[in-house]
Amino acid sequence: GENVEQHPSTLSVQEGDSAVIKCTYSDSASNYFPWYKQELGKGPQLIIDIRSNVGEKKDQRIAVTLNKTAKHFSLHITETQPEDSAVYFCAAGEWDNDMRFGAGTRLTVKP
Amino acid sequence: NAGVMQNPRHLVRRRGQEARLRCSPMKGHSHVYWYRQLPEEGLKFMVYLQKENIIDESGMPKERFSAEFPKEGPSILRIQQVVRGDSAAYFCASSTGTANTEAFFGQGTRLTVV
Repeated sequence: GENVEQHPSTLSVQEGDSAVIKCTYSDSASNYFPWYKQELGKGPQLIIDIRSNVGEKKDQRIAVTLNKTAKHFSLHITETQPEDSAVYFCAAGEWDNDMRFGAGTRLTVKP
Repeated sequence: NAGVMQNPRHLVRRRGQEARLRCSPMKGHSHVYWYRQLPEEGLKFMVYLQKENIIDESGMPKERFSAEFPKEGPSILRIQQVVRGDSAAYFCASSTGTANTEAFFGQGTRLTVV
């Protein structure tokens, strides 16, 4: 089955700096890689996803890159703001099989 | 269009009691997934259901845990004879089931076993 590892587990940055979270996966059959943001007391919310036929995707200050050969993908947040502070989860898999999540990264953006 | 609704938000049970967690998927969604989030851990897949069918329960403990998604009504995750180790946040997500479409999560049920 799929195994997803996520690093770092905690990340602290100054407001305005960039934040990068990295994930690796093991199952080469995985073709869907979403990222979720979980704010305190809430369920995870999808913020961006990427499919295996795409190497990079951007949405305003958020970007995700995928390297299928190396089996890793990353979340990049530029110009971080305090409201970006949350726990971020990566995931890999397909929705007709179980989606495996990383252990999460707690991002703190200091004003 | 209401999002995924989970209730209750908080549930306290004594050891040995039963816990029933409910998940109403988004309108038009026929696929439901249950995940468990233990403290300081990521989301662990438990079970994947379509209406009236369990598709994949490989992540669900074999004993005390069961899940259903009846033709009418919400999906139910049932935990019998709860133990302290069952204390966690339980999230459900729903989707249309089409491959590679996003799923939407509910706000979760926080189960505390005392």
